[in-house]
Amino acid sequence: DAKTTQPPSMDCAEGRAANLPCNHSTISGNEYVYWYRQIHSQGPQYIIHGLKNNETNEMASLIITEDRKSSTLILPHATLRDTAVYYCIVRYLTGNQFYFGTGTSLTVIP
Amino acid sequence: KAGVTQTPRYLIKTRGQQVTLSCSPISGHRSVSWYQQTPGQGLQFLFEYFSETQRNKGNFPGRFSGRQFSNSRSEMNVSTLELGDSALYLCASSGGTATDTQYFGPGTRLTVL
Repeated sequence: DAKTTQPPSMDCAEGRAANLPCNHSTISGNEYVYWYRQIHSQGPQYIIHGLKNNETNEMASLIITEDRKSSTLILPHATLRDTAVYYCIVRYLTGNQFYFGTGTSLTVIP
Repeated sequence: KAGVTQTPRYLIKTRGQQVTLSCSPISGHRSVSWYQQTPGQGLQFLFEYFSETQRNKGNFPGRFSGRQFSNSRSEMNVSTLELGDSALYLCASSGGTATDTQYFGPGTRLTVL
């Protein structure tokens, strides 16, 4: 079962930062937080992942709270092509599978 | 590196038939996982193969099966198709450890009539 809670939908103005929250209050100490996005019926695209520290790559930044019970994905300058469903996933270490929740549908508005 | 490829991309079958879907992982990846995505249930894990062995399995009936070949390519088979099997079937490949990132293919859209 998914261990994450995300808002079902969000809007963001083009060029502004998109901040997508995720709650994972039952996360265990060695479980990673992963973010993927899915653009209409395509395969999910990997964005970023982290354990404890904040992470940044060319696509986004991931901010994890100190207690690790929640995180925020930040797209610094949203474009129309960032319109997608964003999934926050807690990865179980006992198996190499992801349990996807319902995700957040992000709409970037011109 | 080439990404994960899946064939065919689209498939139409009728109830009672069987279907085989194919997935070629990223070169060097030894783990292939399969997922089913439907509007009602979202993305659900089917099973994972690593080094030709099924390592993990989701909660799906025995009609859903798979296998992995020595070159890490994987196939999944669905027998006695039902209308509810209409879905996007996704495979993902990774190195196989618990910290390796999974990379998804474009999916196979199966329609059961």
